Amino acid sequence: AQKVTQAQTEISVVEKEDVTLDCVYETRDTTYYLFWYKQPPSGELVFLIRRNSFDEQNEISGRYSWNFQKSTSSFNFTITASQVVDSAVYFCALSDAPRDDKIIFGKGTRLHILP
Amino acid sequence: GAVVSQHPSRVICKSGTSVKIECRSLDFQATTMFWYRQFPKQSLMLMATSNEGSKATYEQGVEKDKFLINHASLTLSTLTVTSAHPEDSSFYICSARGGSNRFDEQYFGPGTRLTVT
Repeated sequence: AQKVTQAQTEISVVEKEDVTLDCVYETRDTTYYLFWYKQPPSGELVFLIRRNSFDEQNEISGRYSWNFQKSTSSFNFTITASQVVDSAVYFCALSDAPRDDKIIFGKGTRLHILP
Repeated sequence: GAVVSQHPSRVICKSGTSVKIECRSLDFQATTMFWYRQFPKQSLMLMATSNEGSKATYEQGVEKDKFLINHASLTLSTLTVTSAHPEDSSFYICSARGGSNRFDEQYFGPGTRLTVT
């Protein structure tokens, strides 16, 4: 069965600190996609990244970086030098593209960046 | 990137009435659109998948007679909440896939906040 677990319900850090959001997934397929989305208070989902299961290279985009490890079924997200504008709910998600169109979302991690 | 719009962004309706939410792909044709529901401080849950010109496929536990989905064109899908009740109050988000291949990306709309009084 497909499942995405974000064990951290809520995290608070002081501005400029680094923070890592954990994501563990379960799937029976070898081909799948992993995602991270940001949802600010406005509610609109902001797409951050989509990663193919065959691409285990870590990715860096500005202050954001992602660590994909198939051995531990994890796809963790790190924000470096956090800023108040990073405060939001972050969702990790999974899609077994060959089998299904569904995107399965984790429960989300609410991130508070304190000034 | 591709843009998906939703209308209205917010709607308040009285219990027992019906409300229609539109989802449009503005700069691409979407053969498949998806409807999600998000209760306060919870995750997004897929309600149904709709393909242009055919009946929607509903997820287990979603009442198809209550949540009517129509995907009449390649750029428009509508969700009608019939006989709405306060427990239907939620944030409804649509997404649209920009191609017929399941590997194609889904693009999310900005969401519609429904409040039933």
